[in-house]
Amino acid sequence: GAGVSQSPRYKVAKRGQDVALRCDPISGHVSLFWYQQALGQGPEFLTYFQNEAQLDKSGLPSDRFFAERPEGSVSTLKIQRTQQEDSAVYLCASSLLSRLAGELFFGEGSRLTVL
Amino acid sequence: KQEVTQIPAALSVPEGENLVLNCSFTDSAIYNLQWFRQDPGKGLTSLLLIQSSQREQTSGRLNASLDKSSGRSTLYIAASQPGDSATYLCATESYSNYQLIWGAGTKLIIKP
Repeated sequence: GAGVSQSPRYKVAKRGQDVALRCDPISGHVSLFWYQQALGQGPEFLTYFQNEAQLDKSGLPSDRFFAERPEGSVSTLKIQRTQQEDSAVYLCASSLLSRLAGELFFGEGSRLTVL
Repeated sequence: KQEVTQIPAALSVPEGENLVLNCSFTDSAIYNLQWFRQDPGKGLTSLLLIQSSQREQTSGRLNASLDKSSGRSTLYIAASQPGDSATYLCATESYSNYQLIWGAGTKLIIKP
């Protein structure tokens, strides 16, 4: 596609529910990142994929968070047993080459609200 | 651990003024520094990327400078327009990991 696409754009979940957020990066992009952005703050790194390999997951806040990119293109961020503090915008970004390659292209984000 | 700070948190200026946004960082061992723009409810758009060996980058009315030794970067916007209203964020990338470290942003309002 022309840009990074994320779905759903908005998700409301009851506390304890599982959610799955999808990211379609720009076709052919090697690197894919997930970020979490709280209101009024800059994004916080969650995880990084180079093709299908998850090379860094140090930013995932707990073992309730899981991300995959099985075929090196589409990625899914899964949050199990959601809690109110998980409410945030989840941003996906891709870049053409591997790390330190420069320009990132961001999707519009998935806004998660946990009640 | 790298910390990135942006001051002020918000700025409102009349249309047509030139303005400077500030970004400071604590660890000078960076690979690059990037400036992004974020519109409400939208993702981030990359504006300028400065490699560690560079001093500045320019794109149209935007000019970003980098002084690694003092841990500072500035984004200069010339002849501001109402369409420039957005939140501007800076982020650093290091050699040692895959993470961008972000400032909290400066919310800019250009008054017609």
